[in-house]
Amino acid sequence: DSGVTQTPKHLITATGQRVTLRCSPRSGDLSVYWYQQSLDQGLQFLIQYYNGEERAKGNILERFSAQQFPDLHSELNLSSLELGDSALYFCASSGTSAKNIQYFGAGTRLSVL
Amino acid sequence: EDKVVQSPLSLVVHEGDTVTLNCSYEVTNFRSLLWYKQEKKAPTFLFMLTSSGIEKKSGRLSSILDKKELFSILNITATQTGDSAVYLCAVHLQTGANNLFFGTGTRLTVIP
Repeated sequence: DSGVTQTPKHLITATGQRVTLRCSPRSGDLSVYWYQQSLDQGLQFLIQYYNGEERAKGNILERFSAQQFPDLHSELNLSSLELGDSALYFCASSGTSAKNIQYFGAGTRLSVL
Repeated sequence: EDKVVQSPLSLVVHEGDTVTLNCSYEVTNFRSLLWYKQEKKAPTFLFMLTSSGIEKKSGRLSSILDKKELFSILNITATQTGDSAVYLCAVHLQTGANNLFFGTGTRLTVIP
């Protein structure tokens, strides 16, 4: 168990809908990262938050947004969903040391029908 | 453009075999290279490598980095069925963003 908690584990929804994925980082970790893993693709970085502030953006669509709350949990909001958004969404967290090892949650599998 | 390439894409071996997984990279501002094992879902951390030529070892797994030739290998000796997984290589870049840049992985299947 990595200590990173993601909910829900599975999500099935329809095109055009909006969903929220939730992540609780490991105790003490200030950084949260969101990644997307589609079939036959590696993990693609979406966005990073550090202590409540957005730190970096990767290949995140404008229809997607995220935030990190004062208790350090984070939410990834996906709106106007399309079939191509079906994927595994992972959250990872890391501490502030130079080692910066990222520990991953079990992911949320999103199916858009 | 930053690139991380893993080979082979997939591999099937018998229990007891030794395997070598490869990861080559072309990135700017390299900081470190990490290996993860992904079974059903969550990638689990195996190794982080920052210096050339220093082998990291954990049980039957070991890994080494060559910063001159820009590659890393992950060795698994005496493979077991529990080693069946996708092995992911990721590069951590020395930029403002702390994200990892992943390869597409090597799927290892160990058959009894």
